[in-house]
Amino acid sequence: DIQMTQSPSTLSASVGDRLTITCRASENIITYLAWYQVRPGKAPKALIHKASTLESGVPSRFSGSGSGTEFTLTISSLQPDDFASYYCQQYNSYPLTFGGGTKVEI
Amino acid sequence: EVQVVESGGGLVQPGGSLRLSCTASGFTFSDRLVDWVRQAPGKGLEWVGRSRNKISSYTTEYAASVKGRFTLSRDDSKNSVYLQMNSLKTDDTAVYYCTRTGGAGYSDVWGQGTTVTVSS
Repeated sequence: DIQMTQSPSTLSASVGDRLTITCRASENIITYLAWYQVRPGKAPKALIHKASTLESGVPSRFSGSGSGTEFTLTISSLQPDDFASYYCQQYNSYPLTFGGGTKVEI
Repeated sequence: EVQVVESGGGLVQPGGSLRLSCTASGFTFSDRLVDWVRQAPGKGLEWVGRSRNKISSYTTEYAASVKGRFTLSRDDSKNSVYLQMNSLKTDDTAVYYCTRTGGAGYSDVWGQGTTVTVSS
């Protein structure tokens, strides 16, 4: 199975901060990587797929980059709605696997 | 509106069974693959399995943790996918999400989830 390692696991930040979350794959997944936002009591939301393609309706302050085994999610200017948990997922091969998550706290 | 809605969660004893349903609307369901993802209390997301479409002969994939105990099926006439869960363990306690797959196979639309609690 492909292991996805996310860092950091927790991140303390303030409104307006620039954040970067890293995801490392144990094998080459080309660009078959997605990022999701999970907020308590809400349906998870896809933010980015194919490593860098923004989902329709997702604010442009979110961006993704990387290929192979190293990927990043960047939030250019943190907004109140962005305090949530973020997960990467590889969909290059079965079983699909998620990173352990990054909780962004105030 | 494009959406998927889960139902069927509840409290079940260890060793018991439960069937979850996922009903879709707002898109051509028969064209799409459907995944189930779960989140145990205080834990991260875990992929459970995939139901492929008619073009892919309705084949399925499962995580090792549920293979042999969980079975996916679908009824395109009802825009629905079903997750039959047998021999349930306390470790299966989680919120179960149904997702539509987009592009090359990521989850682009998520439901609100249904809660499964396995406890005596």
